[in-house]
Amino acid sequence: KQEVTQIPAALSVPEGENLVLNCSFTDSAIYNLQWFRQDPGKGLTSLLLIQSSQREQTSGRLNASLDKSSGRSTLYIAASQPGDSATYLCAARNSNSGYALNFGKGTSLLVTP
Amino acid sequence: DAGVTQSPTHLIKTRGQQVTLRCSPISGHKSVSWYQQVLGQGPQFIFQYYEKEERGRGNFPDRFSARQFPNYSSELNVNALLLGDSALYLCASSLSDRPYNSPLHFGNGTRLTVT
Repeated sequence: KQEVTQIPAALSVPEGENLVLNCSFTDSAIYNLQWFRQDPGKGLTSLLLIQSSQREQTSGRLNASLDKSSGRSTLYIAASQPGDSATYLCAARNSNSGYALNFGKGTSLLVTP
Repeated sequence: DAGVTQSPTHLIKTRGQQVTLRCSPISGHKSVSWYQQVLGQGPQFIFQYYEKEERGRGNFPDRFSARQFPNYSSELNVNALLLGDSALYLCASSLSDRPYNSPLHFGNGTRLTVT
């Protein structure tokens, strides 16, 4: 069974800092990995989807990387802003459970002005 | 274009009751999935439907059931509610049932409280 872990559980940084969120997974036989943002009490907003054949994806100030061999993905946020404050979740989709996303518990990010 | 819409947004039920949650996918999306998110945890997979057929089921008891309609909307039913069913129920849609190239798009969820 795929286990997804996110470290740290919580992070507080001053505005303007570059930061890295980490995601690790136990089963490297993944189709893809998706990063989401969740604001308090809200649903999930898709940020980036990385296919198993890709090494990274970029969207604006966000860059996500994938290393299947080590079972890790990172989300890099450049020049953080208070509006980036939210919980960030990563989810892996496996070839042996193709329809389900396996989520980590998330990293709660606070960017202070 | 409208995103994934879910109704109701909030719901309070008593133990033992039954509840029906509704979801409308993004226009053109034929696959709908349901997830349960307990406070402080990541979402857990409940069901996926594609073209009105169940394509996947998570580790949830038979009290949970779902269906998809010809217009691709979906309902999640939970019978004999327990306190532990209190959670945010999320619906997600995707363009196809192919897991390798279909990102999921989530709605804002239905917050269910069981008292």
